[in-house]
Amino acid sequence: KAGVTQTPRYLIKTRGQQVTLSCSPISGHRSVSWYQQTPGQGLQFLFEYFSETQRNKGNFPGRFSGRQFSNSRSEMNVSTLELGDSALYLCASSIGTTGNTIYFGEGSWLTVV
Amino acid sequence: QKEVEQNSGPLSVPEGAIASLNCTYSDRVSQSFFWYRQYSGKSPELIMSIYSNGDKEDGRFTAQLNKASQYVSLLIRDSQPSDSATYLCAVTDKLIFGTGTRLQVFP
Repeated sequence: KAGVTQTPRYLIKTRGQQVTLSCSPISGHRSVSWYQQTPGQGLQFLFEYFSETQRNKGNFPGRFSGRQFSNSRSEMNVSTLELGDSALYLCASSIGTTGNTIYFGEGSWLTVV
Repeated sequence: QKEVEQNSGPLSVPEGAIASLNCTYSDRVSQSFFWYRQYSGKSPELIMSIYSNGDKEDGRFTAQLNKASQYVSLLIRDSQPSDSATYLCAVTDKLIFGTGTRLQVFP
């Protein structure tokens, strides 16, 4: 079956703009989590959604937000982009229960100039 | 103290040797532990999970968990150059990842 699909794969934005990233989980998976990965900070948890509800949130400013739709697809939005937001944004899905295996998409590479 | 700690490496081992990757975690009640491999420029891919104390083997990989010491490790036997990657330890109860250990296997 199809894996986790993220779009777009690559994008370049200007400081101050906003960006929306999309994630389609594996069929049947109801939990979607988002991560930011940078060389200096590693993989950092942004938030997790389950059945359209945010279940957990990492330590990121309010400029980072997300949502999940009834079909489990998820989007994350970053407003007022800063240079430091340049990173690989990874989406992962799991069946739902905490502790289940999470599977990653290929990621969205965001460059802020 | 970070919630999940790994030595960043690089850990360099010769082809055919055993590579030993280590991870410690701070939350004593954690129950679910995963190892992921990430090649440069790619997303993490699952190697294996472990939930109970002791060893769990899958092919050339063995995960070891010691909850009393809050320690998880991954052994890679007969290391191959294709194993060269960054290995991420994850405590999935809280979706926390270590910063990863870079492994280099040289011929």
